[in-house]
Amino acid sequence: QKEVEQNSGPLSVPEGAIASLNCTYSDRGSQSFFWYRQYSGKSPELIMSIYSNGDKEDGRFTAQLNKASQYVSLLIRDSQPSDSATYLCAVNRMPRTYKYIFGTGTRLKVLA
Amino acid sequence: SQTIHQWPATLVQPVGSPLSLECTVEGTSNPNLYWYRQAAGRGLQLLFYSVGIGQISSEVPQNLSASRPQDRQFILSSKKLLLSDSGFYLCAFSRDRALSGNTIYFGEGSWLTVV
Repeated sequence: QKEVEQNSGPLSVPEGAIASLNCTYSDRGSQSFFWYRQYSGKSPELIMSIYSNGDKEDGRFTAQLNKASQYVSLLIRDSQPSDSATYLCAVNRMPRTYKYIFGTGTRLKVLA
Repeated sequence: SQTIHQWPATLVQPVGSPLSLECTVEGTSNPNLYWYRQAAGRGLQLLFYSVGIGQISSEVPQNLSASRPQDRQFILSSKKLLLSDSGFYLCAFSRDRALSGNTIYFGEGSWLTVV
């Protein structure tokens, strides 16, 4: 079992729809969770971090964390073609703050 | 604000040649520094991390080495490149803040092709 698992996709959604990206992790001690967006050929850029169970909203993005079920998700509302990218999920286990475990990413395609 | 820069952005090197990638962080002191490699279609592989000047931890045995000569400078090197060293190299930093402040941020990345 991979430490952090994501469906590789591609996940195709029409413009204006909600895109739902999921991530599961195996280490119950994980306490920090991150979503990154990575355009082809570019470096990952942070979208959101989440640390507590529940939802966290930032503009069109909502991160959801459920530690009991060991999953974290990212919702993108009103998806735009510019959202087409690979989305990486990452987790970090305190106090081992140096080890960030990344998923292999989900490729999202927003169709105009 | 905190920023991170790495260079060069792209390079093509022959097998057996040396390598040096550099990374600097601005706007913060005593960051944790990282080198990752991302092979085509694969996830991020942690190569090295450093929690202070001269302190380097290696995650995987390989043909590469890292050094941290100054607080905010991190260098990835190789004496003799292999074909398998090709990939996208990412420098990153984080801070040892409280739980809500340990986000990891990436530099622009360096594309290495070994021919």
